[in-house]
Amino acid sequence: GESVGLHLPTLSVQEGDNSIINCAYSNSASDYFIWYKQESGKGPQFIIDIRSNMDKRQGQRVTVLLNKTVKHLSLQIAATQPGDSAVYFCAENMRNKIIFGKGTRLHILP
Amino acid sequence: DAGVIQSPRHEVTEMGQEVTLRCKPISGHNSLFWYRQTMMRGLELLIYFNNNVPIDDSGMPEDRFSAKMPNASFSTLKIQPSEPRDSAVYFCASWTSYNTGELFFGEGSRLTVL
Repeated sequence: GESVGLHLPTLSVQEGDNSIINCAYSNSASDYFIWYKQESGKGPQFIIDIRSNMDKRQGQRVTVLLNKTVKHLSLQIAATQPGDSAVYFCAENMRNKIIFGKGTRLHILP
Repeated sequence: DAGVIQSPRHEVTEMGQEVTLRCKPISGHNSLFWYRQTMMRGLELLIYFNNNVPIDDSGMPEDRFSAKMPNASFSTLKIQPSEPRDSAVYFCASWTSYNTGELFFGEGSRLTVL
């Protein structure tokens, strides 16, 4: 079965608010957990990753949190903008094999 | 750098025909991945290569699918014979760093089998 999955297929957020996209995983042996963004008609694009021995990592307007106790991963996007509208995938790196979850579509409301 | 280049971008074919999808990874990247994306099954890893050698092909659906990487700058994914259920977007991705997650994807090849 699928090791990485997402809680919600669609998330709607008001422009300017913070977005939180969640993901649950089942494989504790993964080395890295990763978030990708996919815009319509394009390939997925790397956003940020986190090593399995960390619990938080920040990038530009994004923060990834890893809770190994409950096997939960989240992506926080600060001050959501129209350009953030896309499908977001969590993925895991299992010995250099990247496995993707099914994705959450983020809608930005004006 | 031109990024990962895939061709064709779109292909429409009839059931039973052979389909060949092509990929040129980013120069210097030593690993290449083929994924298939559908609404029902999401992004599925089909096969990946490291230094031109297939490492894991457990995601290849059946014997109708085959992939090759004759050199570091070229890979093909072949479906013979094609079936309507093979309709999907096929992505190629490459990377150079181990123990990380930054895959670089191509724009994909959208295949429609009638």
